[in-house]
Amino acid sequence: NAGVTQTPKFQVLKTGQSMTLQCAQDMNHEYMSWYRQDPGMGLRLIHYSVGAGITDQGEVPNGYNVSRSTTEDFPLRLLSAAPSQTSVYFCASRYTDTQYFGPGTRLTVL
Amino acid sequence: AQRVTQPEKLLSVFKGAPVELKCNYSYSGSPELFWYVQYSRQRLQLLLRHISRESIKGFTADLNKGETSFHLKKPFAQEEDSAMYYCALGTPFSNAGNNRKLIWGLGTSLAVNP
Repeated sequence: NAGVTQTPKFQVLKTGQSMTLQCAQDMNHEYMSWYRQDPGMGLRLIHYSVGAGITDQGEVPNGYNVSRSTTEDFPLRLLSAAPSQTSVYFCASRYTDTQYFGPGTRLTVL
Repeated sequence: AQRVTQPEKLLSVFKGAPVELKCNYSYSGSPELFWYVQYSRQRLQLLLRHISRESIKGFTADLNKGETSFHLKKPFAQEEDSAMYYCALGTPFSNAGNNRKLIWGLGTSLAVNP
């Protein structure tokens, strides 16, 4: 099993650009989520999904969209990037009480 | 309000010394608590869950409901324990049955010096 994979590992955007962070898992987990990690702020939940076709907002959803068309994939879209979205983004899937994290995407918005 | 507090941003100890990473929570229900660890250049991973009462890599954590704490302890720290440690509280989603979301502390960076 590859576990949770994320692409790209690094990305630099200009303000106003859009992009999609990819996340996939091959463990058939129903629950998936996106976090951002910022210094001094810990991990903050952006969006989550409890199964294909079901998504909901976390703590900091503004500026991000998600969809869940399959169990495996949970992409995160930035519609119009802002410098405040400079962060490290983690995708995670969950089975019972254990979360499995991806390696992260380091995003810089100039 | 549901909250997890890790009062120390940075904890520095010498190799062989005992280490305790503090975690306090605020939750009115029955808590599920976890410790996650992120070693340098590695992904975040589960270290301990309170319900299993296990010892992993020499670390233990006991849930103290009276003090609403879940401190992580190790009697003799090793250099390879240097990492970022996050305490997390599992709380139920309103619309997802048995699924729970995690509320995270801000993390404590542990540095074990030789």
